[in-house]
Order: sequence, then C-alpha cells, then structure tokens
Amino acid sequence: LAKTTQPISMDSYEGQEVNITCSHNNIATNDYITWYQQFPSQGPRFIIQGYKTKVTNEVASLFIPADRKSSTLSLPRVSLSDTAVYYCLVGDNSGGSNYKLTFGKGTLLTVNP
Amino acid sequence: KAGVTQTPRYLIKTRGQQVTLSCSPISGHRSVSWYQQTPGQGLQFLFEYFSETQRNKGNFPGRFSGRQFSNSRSEMNVSTLELGDSALYLCASSPLIAGGQFEQFFGPGTRLTVL
Repeated sequence: LAKTTQPISMDSYEGQEVNITCSHNNIATNDYITWYQQFPSQGPRFIIQGYKTKVTNEVASLFIPADRKSSTLSLPRVSLSDTAVYYCLVGDNSGGSNYKLTFGKGTLLTVNP
Repeated sequence: KAGVTQTPRYLIKTRGQQVTLSCSPISGHRSVSWYQQTPGQGLQFLFEYFSETQRNKGNFPGRFSGRQFSNSRSEMNVSTLELGDSALYLCASSPLIAGGQFEQFFGPGTRLTVL
C-alpha cells in the first residue's frame, strides 16, 4: 500500500486560500488519490478524489502533477468551519479484492478569525 | 437517502466483556468497512465486507470479528475487551462502482469506553 506523508498541522486565517500537500512516492498505477475531512467525534467526510492533473468540485480543488508522487488539496477562502483534520489517502478503487484504505495521521487545519 | 447509521452511539463496558456494534449502510451500498480510531494510532482499518464475505482484513487480533447480512447490514464484535479497545469505531459504506471512482460514506461512529 502506498504510504502518504502530509504536514501534521497548518494554520490559516478566514478568507485565505489553503493548500495542503501530500507526498505519496510509491503510488501504484491503479491508485486514486482521495481526501477526507474529519471534525471531532464525527466520521470522515469525502472531499475530493482524482487520478491525475486537476479536479475541482464545489468545495475544493485537487492538483496532481504528472509523476503523481504528490498531490495538493486547495481550499479556497476558508472559514472557521473549515477547521478540521484533513486526510490524504491513496488506494486502488478498481473494486477488486485488494481494496483497502490506509489513513495517515492527517493534517490539522486551524482557521483563525 | 439516509446516511450510514451506527448503533449504539455510546457504550461503556468493563474489561473481559464482549461487545457487538451495528452498522446499517446506505441503501444500495454493498461494501461495508470498519475502522478503529484512537488518539494515539489514528484511524486504522479493521475489515471490509462485500456481499456477506470478508474481503480485506487489517492487523487486528482475532478478538475483533465481524459479519455482514444479506441486507448489507454489518456487525462487528470484540470479545474479551481490553482497556486499549476504548476508541471510536467507525463504519463506512461504499457503492463500489467497478472501474469508477468511489467514496466511502462514514457513519457517526460508536464511542466505546472500556473500564
């Protein structure tokens, strides 16, 4: 399983754009990159997923360079409610029997007023 | 659509007892995974069930077991509870559309405290 490395914590201010980078040097060909958000005492919530280049949805963008050894989650104009732990995961989503997700320690993002 | 539900939400047990946690996935989702979350170890994968079969298993002792029923509902059981089993147990379901992207939908978790 590809291991991910991301910063333990980050600080930001309301209205700023936040970029959280994740390293996954051993990513496999079939692996997708997925980001989850978790608030205290709640289950993680899916944010975005991508395979290569750039993916954008209503809450975030995901940038993946050509070598796919890293990825960057971009949160535009964060608010206090974006304070949470963000997890980067790499896994095979082919639906086959090797499917398994490994959560790292995540990045605690603190948004200050 | 209703989300993933887990019961009970909170549970207090004593060492040596056993516990059964329940998870109802989102309607139509056939894959159910279980995770243990503790402050020290973070989120750790326990096992995944698909069509009543355990497909994947994490590195947990045999005291941790699970099963899935024909309606995709799942239960996990922990026998001979230890203090270190105190954790938030999360269940997640997924539609697992073959060849496509996927996401897991997590429930609110069951907070287990072992005294």
